[in-house]
Amino acid sequence: DGGITQSPKYLFRKEGQNVTLSCEQNLNHDAMYWYRQDPGQGLRLIYYSQIVNDFQKGDIAEGYSVSREKKESFPLTVTSAQKNPTAFYLCASSFRQGTEAFFGQGTRLTVV
Amino acid sequence: GEDVEQSLFLSVREGDSSVINCTYTDSSSTYLYWYKQEPGAGLQLLTYIFSNMDMKQDQRLTVLLNKKDKHLSLRIADTQTGDSAIYFCAESMARGNTGKLIFGQGTTLQVKP
Repeated sequence: DGGITQSPKYLFRKEGQNVTLSCEQNLNHDAMYWYRQDPGQGLRLIYYSQIVNDFQKGDIAEGYSVSREKKESFPLTVTSAQKNPTAFYLCASSFRQGTEAFFGQGTRLTVV
Repeated sequence: GEDVEQSLFLSVREGDSSVINCTYTDSSSTYLYWYKQEPGAGLQLLTYIFSNMDMKQDQRLTVLLNKKDKHLSLRIADTQTGDSAIYFCAESMARGNTGKLIFGQGTTLQVKP
């Protein structure tokens, strides 16, 4: 089955630690995205990538980093510089940028 | 600027029609989307409309687009309890060929039996 997979579903992190969220897709999509969701604020774009080895900052990139070494994978690292990292993180992919995006099931990150 | 606005909450009775509204600001948007999110899950694409269309119907879903007023609506006929969820509209940004999706805040639909 084709789809987009995020792991883990739940993640706990101590303050001051970096943590990496996984996102894998087997849809052969070129574009991939990371969004952050907070209650009542909708989705805010963190980073996006149109093609392998290329990515751009979204609206709230500070404190986050990404890589796109393979077409299928777009991991997101939440660094200790992110001041308020507790949130629901959603990864998405699309055939090309701007077309319909398909979402993973999300990772809920909690800083303890 | 880039902005998509939605009302935050809508409550309807089972069997009634639901209408969820959305306004957007970018007149160069190419596609407009409606997504559904159930608790603790990702977003599921419900339907989309191309910016040169006025209406699109898909079973119980009807999308209306008023490009002059930059207003988009999603009508759900015969609303069921399983339709309870958060609904997001999103626009595809064509300007500068960035193509990124901008989402509204989401409308929580509550369906009462």
